Amino acid sequence: DSGVTQTPKHLITATGQRVTLRCSPRSGDLSVYWYQQSLDQGLQFLIQYYNGEERAKGNILERFSAQQFPDLHSELNLSSLELGDSALYFCASSSTRGGEQFFGPGTRLTVL
Amino acid sequence: GQQVMQIPQYQHVQEGEDFTTYCNSSTTLSNIQWYKQRPGGHPVFLIQLVKSGEVKKQKRLTFQFGEAKKNSSLHITATQTTDVGTYFCARDMDSNYQLIWGAGTKLIIKP
Repeated sequence: DSGVTQTPKHLITATGQRVTLRCSPRSGDLSVYWYQQSLDQGLQFLIQYYNGEERAKGNILERFSAQQFPDLHSELNLSSLELGDSALYFCASSSTRGGEQFFGPGTRLTVL
Repeated sequence: GQQVMQIPQYQHVQEGEDFTTYCNSSTTLSNIQWYKQRPGGHPVFLIQLVKSGEVKKQKRLTFQFGEAKKNSSLHITATQTTDVGTYFCARDMDSNYQLIWGAGTKLIIKP
């Protein structure tokens, strides 16, 4: 158990819909990262937050947005969903710059 | 510039054979991390290498950091079914907490 929690575990929705994925980092970790992993693919970095502020952006679509709240949990919002958005979405947290990242179990999103 | 190239993409081995994955960078790395993702699981941190020429061992796994700190390798001796998964290397960005990830090497044990 990494200490990072993600909800829901599975999400099935239709094209055009909007969903919210939630992540709670390890206790004390200020940094949260979101990744997308399509079937048998690598990890695509989406966005990073540190203590409530956006710190880095990767290949995140404009239809996607995220935020980190004062209690440090984070949410990833995906809108106008397309079939190609079906993937595993991981959240990770870390306590040090460039240090070990602890991953949550992921949310599997299926867009039908 | 900041990317890391990881090869091979896949490696099929017989159980008991060795496995190696390589990570290369065109620029000097401050450190390199290795993660393992089991099928259906999430990436799990294995190790971080920091020093030039560093070699670290974890049972049958040997991690190396090149003398020039531009490459790294993970070698598994006598693979077992529990080693199956995808192995990722990752480097940190100097400017923030972000990691830059290699594409991963998938270890497949032939039946």
